[in-house]
Amino acid sequence: DVKVTQSSRYLVKRTGEKVFLECVQDMDHENMFWYRQDPGLGLRLIYFSYDVKMKEKGDIPEGYSVSREKKERFSLILESASTNQTSMYLCASSSWLNEQYFGPGTRLTVT
Amino acid sequence: SQQGEEDPQALSIQEGENATMNCSYKTSINNLQWYRQNSGRGLVHLILIRSNEREKHSGRLRVTLDTSKKSSSLLITASRAADTASYFCATDVNTGNQFYFGTGTSLTVIP
Repeated sequence: DVKVTQSSRYLVKRTGEKVFLECVQDMDHENMFWYRQDPGLGLRLIYFSYDVKMKEKGDIPEGYSVSREKKERFSLILESASTNQTSMYLCASSSWLNEQYFGPGTRLTVT
Repeated sequence: SQQGEEDPQALSIQEGENATMNCSYKTSINNLQWYRQNSGRGLVHLILIRSNEREKHSGRLRVTLDTSKKSSSLLITASRAADTASYFCATDVNTGNQFYFGTGTSLTVIP
């Protein structure tokens, strides 16, 4: 059974902290994605990666960075967390132009 | 933005009735996908329809695509309480591998 896992389901951090969200997929997919989901705004793409060490900005990359050192792992980094980054973060993976498989999500609260 | 828009934003029906939700998008696509999200969880892929297809079925799901109108519809027949969820359409950017999600339709099926 295909699987995308995220390091935490719930996370509470303080303003200014550095935050790491990790995502691992076991399907050997080339593409991996990070989205944030907010009420009324749907899913918005933060970054995606189509290969190891490759990354592309999505619609809202400001305040975030990513790392993909291995094919199965894609990390989202909040360099200095702010309250407006409180959100649900969803990771997904896919092969080319195919369905995306999503992780369960991480609900991040920044206080 | 390439983002699709679902309509209606919310839908409430009785168990056994059919549910129809619509998606409109702005630019040419390779394919369009529908996803379901149960409350507080990740998204689950339902069905993919390619730009050269007009209709596709999967169990109780029927998806249509009208590229001339840049719109798609998802029909769920004989709805069940377990169909209660949010439904999202996702369209790919014609030249890349990004997917853009709409803001979703929240479906409530009353037992």
